[in-house]
Amino acid sequence: DAMVIQNPRYQVTQFGKPVTLSCSQTLNHNVMYWYQQKSSQAPKLLFHYYDKDFNNEADTPDNFQSRRPNTSFCFLDIRSPGLGDAAMYLCATGGTGVYEQYFGPGTRLTVT
Amino acid sequence: GEDVEQSLFLSVREGDSSVINCTYTDSSSTYLYWYKQEPGAGLQLLTYIFSNMDMKQDQRLTVLLNKKDKHLSLRIADTQTGDSAIYFCAEYHTGNQFYFGTGTSLTVIP
Repeated sequence: DAMVIQNPRYQVTQFGKPVTLSCSQTLNHNVMYWYQQKSSQAPKLLFHYYDKDFNNEADTPDNFQSRRPNTSFCFLDIRSPGLGDAAMYLCATGGTGVYEQYFGPGTRLTVT
Repeated sequence: GEDVEQSLFLSVREGDSSVINCTYTDSSSTYLYWYKQEPGAGLQLLTYIFSNMDMKQDQRLTVLLNKKDKHLSLRIADTQTGDSAIYFCAEYHTGNQFYFGTGTSLTVIP
């Protein structure tokens, strides 16, 4: 009865090599979020989708892009990963009128 | 984002109560939350409180909200070793935006 699924759980990529992280949900929630969490820090919101409407945080680097082809799936694309992009990436969902977020287990990205 | 602050570390003995504190700056926050994060895992929602409430109890968890001082606390009664984790407070803003505190690492000593 998994609700928010992230794949893979661990991803290793090379400096500058594009990488895609995926998230899927079985909750049928309107909103999907991507957060970046570095060691011992708070999760930092990168962007979110309200249905198909994309909302980018002002300080999210252009190197980070996202796609949401349907309600269930959302992807995070890092076009040219740098060493500073190594982090845990958390996906979360939320529903209209449901002021809660449900998080996936996260994908830990290592950049070599 | 908005400033949401927490102390970084808390250590308690098993069976004692833990109190984790959080201060926030935006008085327009409508909901305030407590999340638990275990090592290598995502965030688990523990409980939340609507801004027009001042207390909420859920089994071993008690949330207190002081809107005047913009202070939120989480009390865990009879703390167990399984409660060792990082605890984040968060606030919800209109526009589907959540802002998280820096997290408090709780260590429970057997």
